[in-house]
Amino acid sequence: EPEVTQTPSHQVTQMGQEVILRCVPISNHLYFYWYRQILGQKVEFLVSFYNNEISEKSEIFDDQFSVERPDGSNFTLKIRSTKLEDSAMYFCASRKTRDEQFFGPGTRLTVL
Amino acid sequence: KNEVEQSPQNLTAQEGEFITINCSYSVGISALHWLQQHPGGGIVSLFMLSSGKKKHGRLIATINIQEKHSSLHITASHPRDSAVYICAVKFGNEKLTFGTGTRLTIIP
Repeated sequence: EPEVTQTPSHQVTQMGQEVILRCVPISNHLYFYWYRQILGQKVEFLVSFYNNEISEKSEIFDDQFSVERPDGSNFTLKIRSTKLEDSAMYFCASRKTRDEQFFGPGTRLTVL
Repeated sequence: KNEVEQSPQNLTAQEGEFITINCSYSVGISALHWLQQHPGGGIVSLFMLSSGKKKHGRLIATINIQEKHSSLHITASHPRDSAVYICAVKFGNEKLTFGTGTRLTIIP
């Protein structure tokens, strides 16, 4: 069964460094999402992406964040200059049309 | 304000018991999702509902649009059902608003 994959599973970085989190959505899906979950808190929406552009973003998704679908298969989330409070689990998700979303296994980001 | 509330926060039950987890939301929605999150952190989509009822194996999800309420039921619960169950609601376009989750523990 097709699934959403994410790499790396765990990323450790120093504060102020740039990180890129990678996702490979299910191949015929059209809508792509990033979410984050700070330890012990609820999942939060970051951004949705459709037709090669951001369709909606939350107040969390400020200028430090950007998303890209560089080659038609990968979907990336870049954090330009990481802060301690960016430490969280980041989930990618995708969906076809009006269907439910399929989530990736997550990338745990630790900012030191 | 668009809010999602779940109850209970924690639920412990004996194997075989019938489980109900509730979700209430503040305003009209376009869709409601029930998700399962295992201890390792991965999230699995169980159901997406906009009306009525859906069933998959031992899981049943219902939604009452007028009352702004949804329930997730598990029949004949099993220890492998132990997980966090999350209600997430789409109030408008793409953004999902998540509840805080219900931590379910099934004791053998």
